Amino acid sequence: ETGVTQTPRHLVMGMTNKKSLKCEQHLGHNAMYWYKQSAKKPLELMFVYNFKEQTENNSVPSRFSPECPNSSHLFLHLHTLQPEDSALYLCASSQGGTSGGTQYFGPGTRLLVL
Amino acid sequence: KNEVEQSPQNLTAQEGEFITINCSYSVGISALHWLQQHPGGGIVSLFMLSSGKKKHGRLIATINIQEKHSSLHITASHPRDSAVYICAAHSGTYKYIFGTGTRLKVLA
Repeated sequence: ETGVTQTPRHLVMGMTNKKSLKCEQHLGHNAMYWYKQSAKKPLELMFVYNFKEQTENNSVPSRFSPECPNSSHLFLHLHTLQPEDSALYLCASSQGGTSGGTQYFGPGTRLLVL
Repeated sequence: KNEVEQSPQNLTAQEGEFITINCSYSVGISALHWLQQHPGGGIVSLFMLSSGKKKHGRLIATINIQEKHSSLHITASHPRDSAVYICAAHSGTYKYIFGTGTRLKVLA
């Protein structure tokens, strides 16, 4: 399997639930990203990991908790979310470095919070 | 005002038409990316450019660093080109600022 994969593709959860999104890349990249895409709004960068170290955290609420156990896997743990957190969550990877490199995106997880 | 602005927001074209999508940015950048997002959410990176012009098949991307402006052109458009086209300014090591996208529909 190649590219960037994300599971699950769709998720419905209540505000009291705890769930996790998973991302896996098979491209040998060293940087991985979580993005949020809400309707009618630009993509928002949430977290960046480079060589498993978090390098960016764009003021994301603590109800979103990332985890990067190795350079191929990235998780986004969700707890006590709000309905406004409903969105498409996209994972991406790149070769990194100061130029960032071309990013390769996964298919996304469409999340609905009830 | 968003630091990356795209125009038009929506565009409908007839098959075969030449299409131009514009992107203006107000931040310093190391590169400008053009992305394509199909219905269902999947995003494909089309171009990364920091100067001049790049061509891939029927797609051409240009950038004018002095004017802080980039354009994406599609020649001989086809219904399969229907998608949302997003430009993104790479303004820091891992900082990307995205435009809101241009929704393109090409009619047969």
